[in-house]
Amino acid sequence: EDKVVQSPLSLVVHEGDTVTLNCSYEVTNFRSLLWYKQEKKAPTFLFMLTSSGIEKKSGRLSSILDKKELFSILNITATQTGDSAVYLCAVGGSEKLVFGKGTKLTVNP
Amino acid sequence: KAGVTQTPRYLIKTRGQQVTLSCSPISGHRSVSWYQQTPGQGLQFLFEYFSETQRNKGNFPGRFSGRQFSNSRSEMNVSTLELGDSALYLCASSFSGTGSSADTQYFGPGTRLTVL
Repeated sequence: EDKVVQSPLSLVVHEGDTVTLNCSYEVTNFRSLLWYKQEKKAPTFLFMLTSSGIEKKSGRLSSILDKKELFSILNITATQTGDSAVYLCAVGGSEKLVFGKGTKLTVNP
Repeated sequence: KAGVTQTPRYLIKTRGQQVTLSCSPISGHRSVSWYQQTPGQGLQFLFEYFSETQRNKGNFPGRFSGRQFSNSRSEMNVSTLELGDSALYLCASSFSGTGSSADTQYFGPGTRLTVL
């Protein structure tokens, strides 16, 4: 059965800290790995990764995929209170997107 | 470009009733997927429709069904509601869907269903 495991489940940091969120997966016929940020409403798209070793960056956020070891990391540098959210990792397989349970990030001022 | 819209945003029903939720995808997107999100289980895939055909289905009972219209709008129906059906129901649209390519899904705001 396809599965996506995120760690840690929750994380509390102070503004300015750097955090690394982890996502490991076992999915049949891997196609893509996506990161989403979910605040109080719907998940919003952050990154889509399809190739190993190529870092994607958007401002203070970056992500990389390792298809050999079957994991991805999401880095957030110089965290701000607005980064507080649940970060979801999803992996596209042969039939559907499989989501992890998410990492709840809390950034305290 | 308008985003994914879902109606209604909030719904309260009682056990045994049925409910229909609606989702309008981003213009030009042909794939609509439905998810159930609960605190304990996270996001769980219900089904995906592409060009009016159900292409993929998750592990949910037959009480959960859906359909897609020629304009790509989709509806999801839940019959004989149970307390455990209380959840946030999200739909997501993409151009070609997860079944055919590495394609990004964009989510709607969700419908919060409460079953009493």
